[in-house]
Amino acid sequence: DADVTQTPRNRITKTGKRIMLECSQTKGHDRMYWYRQDPGLGLQLIYYSFDVKDINKGEISDGYSVSRQAQAKFSLSLESAIPNQTALYFCATSDGGLGQETQYFGPGTRLLVL
Amino acid sequence: SQQGEEDPQALSIQEGENATMNCSYKTSINNLQWYRQNSGRGLVHLILIRSNEREKHSGRLRVTLDTSKKSSSLLITASRAADTASYFCATDRWGETSGSRLTFGEGTQLTVNP
Repeated sequence: DADVTQTPRNRITKTGKRIMLECSQTKGHDRMYWYRQDPGLGLQLIYYSFDVKDINKGEISDGYSVSRQAQAKFSLSLESAIPNQTALYFCATSDGGLGQETQYFGPGTRLLVL
Repeated sequence: SQQGEEDPQALSIQEGENATMNCSYKTSINNLQWYRQNSGRGLVHLILIRSNEREKHSGRLRVTLDTSKKSSSLLITASRAADTASYFCATDRWGETSGSRLTFGEGTQLTVNP
């Protein structure tokens, strides 16, 4: 089984709808991240969490919210989806300690907002 | 603006040739990482080089880091068709908790022709 899973893998929604993307990990990592990738571009950080009680905004948090329900689960919500939120969304985890800085990515969720 | 910028944006070579990709960044870093992304999939970590290291090898990969020029290069030797992917550099910036916030470049799309 994959270490970092994302659901759904694909989602089509309409403008104004609230949707939630979910991420689960079995790596036992404390740190989790949500990124957005637009076609032909790199990743932009939306939110990140260093542990269950720690939530931080990234570069592009407007229009998004997150919930860290447990060490293994980190959800991303679009409060009122708009077409320019159409993108590929990735969840990632890391251990975070010195020598453990690598991030491990989920397979991504492809979101289309009509 | 992006902390890391890759050059070239796209590279097309023949199988067996070497591929070199470059990354420039703007601020001091703790480490620099290279990731690979197959089309539409999650990123996979390739190699990490710390700010006090100048060169690192892993299999057919060779990474160099020049902190005075704020640049890094990734060399893939004896390329294979399976190396076709996008390659991203990501910087972990100095002064921030290691592994806390990677900043990704926009990537180099490598095509290896059989």
